[in-house]
Amino acid sequence: EVQLVETGGGLIQPGGSLRLSCAASGFTVSSNYMSWVRQAPGKGLEWVSVIYSGGSTYYADSVKGRFTISRDNSKNTLYLQMNSLRAEDTAVYYCAREGDGGYASYWGQGTLVTVSS
Amino acid sequence: DIQMTQSPSSVSASIGDRVTITCRASQGISSWLAWYQQKPGKAPKLLIYAASSLQSGVPSRFSGSGSGTDFTLTISSLQPEDFATYYCQQANSFPPTFGGGTKVEIK
Repeated sequence: EVQLVETGGGLIQPGGSLRLSCAASGFTVSSNYMSWVRQAPGKGLEWVSVIYSGGSTYYADSVKGRFTISRDNSKNTLYLQMNSLRAEDTAVYYCAREGDGGYASYWGQGTLVTVSS
Repeated sequence: DIQMTQSPSSVSASIGDRVTITCRASQGISSWLAWYQQKPGKAPKLLIYAASSLQSGVPSRFSGSGSGTDFTLTISSLQPEDFATYYCQQANSFPPTFGGGTKVEIK
C-alpha cells in the first residue's frame, strides 16, 4: 500500500528555516516524480516544487532561491528545505507522488507550517 | 503561467442532483487536466486525469470532459459523501496551476 507521511511542520519566525520530511512506503521515491503542494489557510492549492526520477528539480517562482527539494534514497524519503521563511509561506504542505502525465495520484496527510513572530 | 478559472465558486445541491463544474484555461492545454476532490482537513484526492480518465477506485458517477481551454466535471447523481471542494489542475506546462475551487454544499 502506498503511504506518504509528512513531518517537520511547526511555528517558525519570519526569516527562519525549516525542513519538511515525507516518508514513503509501498513504492520507491527515487523511481517516481515527487512534488510538494501547499495550501494556505482557507485558500486553494499551490504547486511548490517537483523532483523527477532523474534528479531534475523545479520550483514555483514564489519559492525559488529559498526552498530546496531533495530526497534520500536510503531512507526512501522526500524533503523540502525552506529558508528565509515569510508570513505568506504559512500553509499546510503536502507531498505527493505523481503518476503518468504529472497528476498527483497519492498525497500525504499534510503538515502545517506557520510563519509568525 | 496558465490561469485556471473555475465556475461556480460554490453550488448548493440536493442528494441525487446532477452537478456540473466548469474549468477554463487561459490558453490551450490539450487534455492535460485533472480534477481533485478535497474534504475539510483532508488531502486532495485525484478523481479524473487526462480530462476524462477515471482514476482507479473512483465511482462512475464522476465524469470529465473537454479539451483545449474548456473542461467539465460532472457528478451524475450527488451522494452524501460528495459534498466537498473540487479543484481542476493543468499539467500542460510549468508551473502546474490549480483552479480556485468549487465548493459543493448541501441544499
